[in-house]
Amino acid sequence: QKEVEQDPGPLSVPEGAIVSLNCTYSNSAFQYFMWYRQYSRKGPELLMYTYSSGNKEDGRFTAQVDKSSKYISLFIRDSQPSDSATYLCAMSVGTNAGKSTFGDGTTLTVKP
Amino acid sequence: GAVVSQHPSRVICKSGTSVKIECRSLDFQATTMFWYRQFPKKSLMLMATSNEGSKATYEQGVEKDKFLINHASLTLSTLTVTSAHPEDSSFYICSAKTSGSTDTQYFGPGTRLTVL
Repeated sequence: QKEVEQDPGPLSVPEGAIVSLNCTYSNSAFQYFMWYRQYSRKGPELLMYTYSSGNKEDGRFTAQVDKSSKYISLFIRDSQPSDSATYLCAMSVGTNAGKSTFGDGTTLTVKP
Repeated sequence: GAVVSQHPSRVICKSGTSVKIECRSLDFQATTMFWYRQFPKKSLMLMATSNEGSKATYEQGVEKDKFLINHASLTLSTLTVTSAHPEDSSFYICSAKTSGSTDTQYFGPGTRLTVL
């Protein structure tokens, strides 16, 4: 079993829809939770960063962490065609090594 | 801020040659850099962790003599693919982490390597 599980999709939604992306994990030591967006043939771009449990909002994006359930989510409101990309969740235990464990990514297409 | 560059963005080489890929943190000092490999429609596969001034730590199954990593300064790490073969063709991405902060990594734009 992988440490981080992420549904690869693909996920297709109409423009303006609310998108929910999720990851589950098994390592209870994870404390830092990140979401990255990766466009085709580009490097991942950090979208959201959350420490421990709770919610964080940034514009149309909201990240949620539920450590008790070992479950994290990224919500995208009013989705746009430009949001079409692969979204990777990542998490780490917070050591100086800084290694993160990544999910396999969910491919999202927002149709105009 | 937190910009990471990679050079070259794309390289095509003949089998048996060596290829060097540079990763630079442009506006911050990166005590740690990571090198990943990504196959089409697959997630990132961590190859090695590179700390400035010390030897890289390779993940299990990654040949350190095949993938030479040098972290010469706080802003530069290089990956050299030695005696490249077609199976080394892939998308190579580096990332950099600042010291003493969160575990967020800032990624470069990637280098597409094609070995003929």
